[in-house]
Amino acid sequence: SQTIHQWPATLVQPVGSPLSLECTVEGTSNPNLYWYRQAAGRGLQLLFYSVGIGQISSEVPQNLSASRPQDRQFILSSKKLLLSDSGFYLCAWSGGLNTGELFFGEGSRLTVL
Amino acid sequence: EDQVTQSPEALRLQEGESSSLNCSYTVSGLRGLFWYRQDPGKGPEFLFTLYSAGEEKEKERLKATLTKKESFLHITAPKPEDSATYLCAADFSGGYQKVTFGIGTKLQVIP
Repeated sequence: SQTIHQWPATLVQPVGSPLSLECTVEGTSNPNLYWYRQAAGRGLQLLFYSVGIGQISSEVPQNLSASRPQDRQFILSSKKLLLSDSGFYLCAWSGGLNTGELFFGEGSRLTVL
Repeated sequence: EDQVTQSPEALRLQEGESSSLNCSYTVSGLRGLFWYRQDPGKGPEFLFTLYSAGEEKEKERLKATLTKKESFLHITAPKPEDSATYLCAADFSGGYQKVTFGIGTKLQVIP
């Protein structure tokens, strides 16, 4: 069966520090991969999605970037964190195009101080 | 702009007290309507996909239905373990990047 792992689960970072969140998927090949952010009182916001290695699409201009160095690995990064980057970050995968059947990781709670 | 609106924002039920959650959407070529369950501090868990008006899906005490303008998540005889936030999402025009999530309904079931 397919599983998705996301880490770290929580982190507290100072403003201006770098960020790296990692996500890996097991049990499937060539998944579509996503990074979402969830803020209190707001719906899930799509940040990045990827249909293949090295293929990244950004939905929202921001201080973040994403990379997909391997088929089942997705990384969310920042060179310099802002206070507004605080939130709950979720990695997800889906098995094909045109689907909202997403399978999420456990999430990473980021607090920027 | 395509939108997904969920109501109520929060719902408190006694164990065994059935109720429904609502998800309404502005139509711009709905291709799929999705329900998720999210426990505190966890990622959402996929529950159902509905594609066309009149369609219904069931899982244990949950039943999701779809009309042309809204979807309902019916909870029959809920138990405390059904307490969670239920999210609705819609794929309006095809393409994974077009899935729009609602804010969710936070359900609390009291023993």
